[in-house]
Amino acid sequence: DQQVKQNSPSLSVQEGRISILNCDYTNSMFDYFLWYKKYPAEGPTFLISISSIKDKNEDGRFTVFLNKSAKHLSLHIVPSQPGDSAVYFCAARLDNAGNNRKLIWGLGTSLAVNP
Amino acid sequence: DVKVTQSSRYLVKRTGEKVFLECVQDMDHENMFWYRQDPGLGLRLIYFSYDVKMKEKGDIPEGYSVSREKKERFSLILESASTNQTSMYLCASSLSRAAKNIQYFGAGTRLSVL
Repeated sequence: DQQVKQNSPSLSVQEGRISILNCDYTNSMFDYFLWYKKYPAEGPTFLISISSIKDKNEDGRFTVFLNKSAKHLSLHIVPSQPGDSAVYFCAARLDNAGNNRKLIWGLGTSLAVNP
Repeated sequence: DVKVTQSSRYLVKRTGEKVFLECVQDMDHENMFWYRQDPGLGLRLIYFSYDVKMKEKGDIPEGYSVSREKKERFSLILESASTNQTSMYLCASSLSRAAKNIQYFGAGTRLSVL
């Protein structure tokens, strides 16, 4: 049973427009959320994160929004660039001292930014 | 910068062979992880280790074992490789007491079992 869900396997956006990648979760014990970006034939790289006590975190072109009541987070990329084309993974950490070393991963969303 | 190094980018092995995938990190991280990535299945955790000689099963440990004799090195072992273990294997490490639990990944090993 997927505790972290990325319901859109793929997304296509025009260069310069906004990309919005969504992530839903089921476990209210998640206390930290992370977004990773992965290019083909490379390992994932950390992009941005948000604590469950916040509702927004911004880093340059990337902003993550968290809606705890809806158990939903989204990653906004503005403006989108062709180099942003990659697979984006949403991950969550359990607020559980005995089990918080692991991350729970979504299946990923493949973003294509078209010139 | 954290560096996680996987010994091979590409490997081709025969069914039944014993396969070793090596991973080394240089940031004194306590936690190390082995994942496999397959199309449509995301990242699936095979095993992880939170200390030297300690290991815990992840979501798909069957057919795999691990070894962590030194803090910086975490090995994944396929005792008898099978074709369904053809995959991209990713190693990661993280600091136990970090607030963010960021995992840092190696470049991956693309394993083909023929």
